[in-house]
Amino acid sequence: DQQVKQNSPSLSVQEGRISILNCDYTNSMFDYFLWYKKYPAEGPTFLISISSIKDKNEDGRFTVFLNKSAKHLSLHIVPSQPGDSAVYFCAASASGGTSYGKLTFGQGTILTVHP
Amino acid sequence: KAGVTQTPRYLIKTRGQQVTLSCSPISGHRSVSWYQQTPGQGLQFLFEYFSETQRNKGNFPGRFSGRQFSNSRSEMNVSTLELGDSALYLCASSPSGDTTYGYTFGSGTRLTVV
Repeated sequence: DQQVKQNSPSLSVQEGRISILNCDYTNSMFDYFLWYKKYPAEGPTFLISISSIKDKNEDGRFTVFLNKSAKHLSLHIVPSQPGDSAVYFCAASASGGTSYGKLTFGQGTILTVHP
Repeated sequence: KAGVTQTPRYLIKTRGQQVTLSCSPISGHRSVSWYQQTPGQGLQFLFEYFSETQRNKGNFPGRFSGRQFSNSRSEMNVSTLELGDSALYLCASSPSGDTTYGYTFGSGTRLTVV
C-alpha cells in the first residue's frame, strides 16, 4: 500500500529551464508535505515544505504547490541548474501522537539537468 | 553546528549475525528516527525515540530494535540478519519529533549481508 507515489522515475531538463516534479498521495490524514533532495552516499537534505492549509510555498528557486482535492503536489525548480541533479523525494506526515517522527516517502525521481 | 553522525559508514555482516548501528543527533535534538532504504521498497520508517522512549514504530519484524540514551544518542540493532536486510540505514533527528520542524538526516550506514 504505497501512500505516497512519485510516478516518474526520472526527469531530464535543460539548464535554465523549469523542472517540475510530481507527487500523489492517498492518505487523507496527511497534513504536512516535504521535499528532500538526495545525492549518492549521502542522506536526504530538506528542501522545502508545505502545510495542508496552504496551496503554495516558495523558497528561492523552489516552489511547492499543493492541490488537496486532487491529493497532488508538485515541486517547481526555476531556473534549473546542473547542481540540482539528484534524486528528489516527496514525503508526507500526519499530525497526532501516532505519527511522531514518521515521514512516508515516495519512491523518488531522478532529476538530471543538462548544461 | 555538527550534523547527524552515523557510524559506521559501511558494514559487511554474515547471515545470522547481529549488528548494531549508532546515531548521534544534532545537539539539542531529542527525537531520533530511523529509516531503511532499499531499491525495492524505498525509504521506510523503522521507529522513533524521544527522551529514551520509543513513541512510534513502523511495520518491521521484532528483529529490528532500538534504544536511545540520556544524551539522545541512539542505536538500532538487527538480530539474525537476513540477506534482505542489506540496505542503507538512515537516522534523522529533530528537536521534538514534530515533523513540521523538519528532520535532518545523517549520511547513513550501508549494511551488506552476505
